[in-house]
Amino acid sequence: DTGVSQDPRHKITKRGQNVTFRCDPISEHNRLYWYRQTLGQGPEFLTYFQNEAQLEKSRLLSDRFSAERPKGSFSTLEIQRTEQGDSAMYLCASSLVGGEGYEQYFGPGTRLTVT
Amino acid sequence: RKEVEQDPGPFNVPEGATVAFNCTYSNSASQSFFWYRQDCRKEPKLLMSVYSSGNEDGRFTAQLNRASQYISLLIRDSKLSDSATYLCVGPKGGTSYGKLTFGQGTILTVHP
Repeated sequence: DTGVSQDPRHKITKRGQNVTFRCDPISEHNRLYWYRQTLGQGPEFLTYFQNEAQLEKSRLLSDRFSAERPKGSFSTLEIQRTEQGDSAMYLCASSLVGGEGYEQYFGPGTRLTVT
Repeated sequence: RKEVEQDPGPFNVPEGATVAFNCTYSNSASQSFFWYRQDCRKEPKLLMSVYSSGNEDGRFTAQLNRASQYISLLIRDSKLSDSATYLCVGPKGGTSYGKLTFGQGTILTVHP
């Protein structure tokens, strides 16, 4: 399977704990995006990378959130001191800029539950 | 005001029906749009890209009206398997080649 993969698929954690999610994009894609989706809403943009450079962070991304893409391949999203409001589906997407279009393809997501 | 807005529905239609969803956008600089399909508790999957006035793929037709700033998705001969949430998607901030902004989603249920 050469699609976007995410790990873990589900994470249950207690408030105050740190969690880290991983995303592996489609191999030839140079852009990687993180989104967050809550029930009944469309995904909301969090941050994105072109190769290893983080180009933009949303205001939704508080100081407790950090994302990296150290070698321009996989990315990690860490949430420190989790809060119940962090419970959501965290989606990763990738795209190839410079191709015929810039469609983004999503991974299966990591569903986070903070208790 | 949200950048992309769509009627959340739900739409309940019988098999074989034709159904249309509309979506409006606020940033006149936006050039390209997408329709994604999302099944319950799954990731969004790209259904169609709309780079010019419209696009057609089998039973699905998407149209873009820049003057009125709306995008539509028409599904003909609905199948049970079309039941899903349909997300209208545009470029966040009107930029190209970058982050996306999603509508709330329109829920479609196709019944026998």
